[in-house]
Order: sequence, then C-alpha cells, then structure tokens
Amino acid sequence: EVQLVESGGGLVKPGGSLRLSCAASGFTFSSYSMNWVRQAPGKGLEWVSSISSSSSYIYYADSVKGRFTISRDNAKNSLYLQMNSLRAEDTAVYYCARGSFDFDYWGQGTLVTVSS
Amino acid sequence: QSALTQPASVSGSPGQSITISCTGTSSDVGGYNYVSWYQQHPGKAPKLMIYDVSNRPSGVSNRFSGSKSGNTASLTISGLQAEDEADYYCSSYTSSSTLANWVFGGGTKLTVL
Repeated sequence: EVQLVESGGGLVKPGGSLRLSCAASGFTFSSYSMNWVRQAPGKGLEWVSSISSSSSYIYYADSVKGRFTISRDNAKNSLYLQMNSLRAEDTAVYYCARGSFDFDYWGQGTLVTVSS
Repeated sequence: QSALTQPASVSGSPGQSITISCTGTSSDVGGYNYVSWYQQHPGKAPKLMIYDVSNRPSGVSNRFSGSKSGNTASLTISGLQAEDEADYYCSSYTSSSTLANWVFGGGTKLTVL
C-alpha cells in the first residue's frame, strides 16, 4: 500500500524557516517524481514544487522561488521542503504527492502557520 | 486568482448527472493532454479521479468521466450519489513562463440535493 506521511509543520514567525519531510513507503520511491502542493485555510490547491526521480529536474512556483528548496533522499525514501523567509501567505496545509503529470497519491498533509 | 477557471458551485439530485467545467488557455489545458481531476472531502487529502483528460485510476467508479474540447476540460459525474458531495479541482500541466508548471482551478463545490 502506497503511503506518504508528512511531518515538520508548526507555528513559525514571519521571516523564519521550517523544514518539511515526507516519508514514502509501499512503492519504489526512486522511480517517481514527487511534489509539494499546499492549501491555504478555506482556499484551493496550489502547486508548490516538483522534483524528478533522480533530482535532475526541479521546478518551483513563482510564489516560492528563491525561498523554498525541494530535495529528496532516495536511500531514505524521503522528500523534503526547506522553507525560508516565510510569510503569512505561506500559511497552509502542505501535502506531498506522487507523480509526474498528475498526482496519484497524496499524504494527509502537515499544517504550517506563519504568524507573529 | 487561479490559473484555471471553474464554477464555484454545482448541484444535482441523486441519480442525476452533472458536469464541471475547467477553462484554461492554449498554454495549459488546450496545449497538453495532462488534465487531471481531484475530489476532496472536508478535512481530507485530495484524491485523483481522472488523469490525462479522460482516464480513470483503478478503483474509481465509472460514473466519473472526463473530456476536453479546446481550452476547456470537463468532469461529468453520472448517477449522483450522496458520497459524491465534495470539492472538485482540475489541474493541468502548463508551459507558460510566468506561471507554475502545474496549475489548479479554484475548485467547485458539488452539493447533492
């Protein structure tokens, strides 16, 4: 069974940093592109970042470019999102999701709250 | 402002069919057959319902179908059931240099009357 479990969310002050993790199991992690998608409270889905299976290709939404860094460790079956210079508008549930052109499995999400 | 346009809400009675539209541009929906649809119940993670415009993942009911014409994709749910009440989001790959590589619609709330 495919499982994606996010962790690392919490309350952080504006300008602060946070590192999210996503632990994958039930599939060959190193064969799949992975993604971060977020959802602000009461709002819709927003794609954040994607990384190819071997980390050769990395993409970011304009809203996070230069502040967030996606990475993965295929030996540990883990996906990461380093978030720096956090803003109030980054407050959201962050989901990790598997896939290249669509997102076929999602984690349960981890809440990031940016507030003073 | 979302990159793809969906109606904010649709409704239907049990047994009826409804269609949710998703309008983009030639740089996303119209330019690629990488349109997908997601169902999200309150407090839950999204679930893939349709991928590559019209394909259903294993386990998704055949009451769900997808199509595309030009820059507009559509999700049709036939034989509406109470458990279909949820938010639905479309997504597309995009090549626009000023937008993310993947874009979502703003979401459509489906109410089963």
